[in-house]
Amino acid sequence: QVQLVQSGAEVKQPGASAKVSCKTSGYSFTSYYYHWVRQAPGQGLEWMGIFNPTDGSTSYAQRFQGRVAMTGDTSTSTVYMELSSLRSEDTAIYYCVAETPATKFFDNWGQGTLVTVSS
Amino acid sequence: QTVVTQEPSFSVSPGGTVTLTCGLSSGSVSTRYSPSWYQQTPGQPPRTLIYNTNTRSSGVPDRFSGSILGNKAALTITGAQADDESDYYCALFVGGGTLYVFGTGTKVTVL
Repeated sequence: QVQLVQSGAEVKQPGASAKVSCKTSGYSFTSYYYHWVRQAPGQGLEWMGIFNPTDGSTSYAQRFQGRVAMTGDTSTSTVYMELSSLRSEDTAIYYCVAETPATKFFDNWGQGTLVTVSS
Repeated sequence: QTVVTQEPSFSVSPGGTVTLTCGLSSGSVSTRYSPSWYQQTPGQPPRTLIYNTNTRSSGVPDRFSGSILGNKAALTITGAQADDESDYYCALFVGGGTLYVFGTGTKVTVL
């Protein structure tokens, strides 16, 4: 079973970008798809997108199109999520989640990374 | 935009049974949406309970079960325990531009 360890909390100014990392271990990096899910304070879960490390392909939720980029580094077994043009509404915990390919559910969750957007 | 609705809250007595549902704003939920369910306690990441409608994730007690009830996905807790007091979210694979949508979440209180 894959383990996911995310980078630490960040504070960003409005208009800046945030890049969250998620280091995987315990299994082959390319054996999973990787999703990003976020949760604003006191709110529900929101799917942001998916990254396939085998071919680098991505699919993003429509509301994040043009503002999010999900990438991976096979040499370090790490996936990244970068969100640009940050606004206060982007303050949230961002979770990296692994999916066994084509099973269509969120199997292994990272511990989450709090990104705070504040001036 | 697809909206997935859940009851905002439920209260259940210890040992009781509660059924949470997960509905679609546009149509019926079926197995092709691969419904899954997640439990979340404060300050923790979600924990996977059920996937593919009715398959329990590893280590999940059999008092949790998933199904399709009418036109919705459902999660039933049979013999509720105090530590089942959590937020519960469903997720559906809807395809299209936004592949997955989470439900609005249900807060379950055991008292």
